[in-house]
Amino acid sequence: AQKVTQAQTEISVVEKEDVTLDCVYETRDTTYYLFWYKQPPSGELVFLIRRNSFDEQNEISGRYSWNFQKSTSSFNFTITASQVVDSAVYFCALSEDPFSGGYQKVTFGTGTKLQVIP
Amino acid sequence: SQTIHQWPATLVQPVGSPLSLECTVEGTSNPNLYWYRQAAGRGLQLLFYSVGIGQISSEVPQNLSASRPQDRQFILSSKKLLLSDSGFYLCACKAGTGSNEQFFGPGTRLTVL
Repeated sequence: AQKVTQAQTEISVVEKEDVTLDCVYETRDTTYYLFWYKQPPSGELVFLIRRNSFDEQNEISGRYSWNFQKSTSSFNFTITASQVVDSAVYFCALSEDPFSGGYQKVTFGTGTKLQVIP
Repeated sequence: SQTIHQWPATLVQPVGSPLSLECTVEGTSNPNLYWYRQAAGRGLQLLFYSVGIGQISSEVPQNLSASRPQDRQFILSSKKLLLSDSGFYLCACKAGTGSNEQFFGPGTRLTVL
């Protein structure tokens, strides 16, 4: 069975600080995908990034960066120089190989609420 | 890219009343569609998914049902709402091929009184 653990329930940082959101996953699949979503106060989940299990390269997009390590089954998300607009709930998610069948189940973590204080 | 519409945005209903939430998708064909519920301060719970017209699978037994009358339309219904049905309902879409991530609609906030 798949499982995603986001141990940090809530994090508060002061603006301009760096912050890392942790994500640990469990799966028996050799091919899988990992995602991060942002849920601002408005409620809609915004897709941030997808990473497949064969690509362990870290990725950077502006102030966002992601560190994928298969050895520790982790897919951590770092925000550099945080801003108030980064305040949101962030979800890590895991899915099986979408080509293994017609239905792709996505398992979400319970989310980490990030508050950036001005 | 796909756009997902949901309505209504908010809804307040009495216990025992019926429910119909609608989700429509633009910009893609043959999508996989999903209904999630998010209780206050909690994570996402998958309720239903559909891989095609008329094909509905339920993840958890509950008071709700879903239907997919058209390729890009997904409806969540209930004959009699319970207090425990309150929550934030999100519709999601995954393109049929060539895409792995799900995209979400703006959600419907349902309060059952």
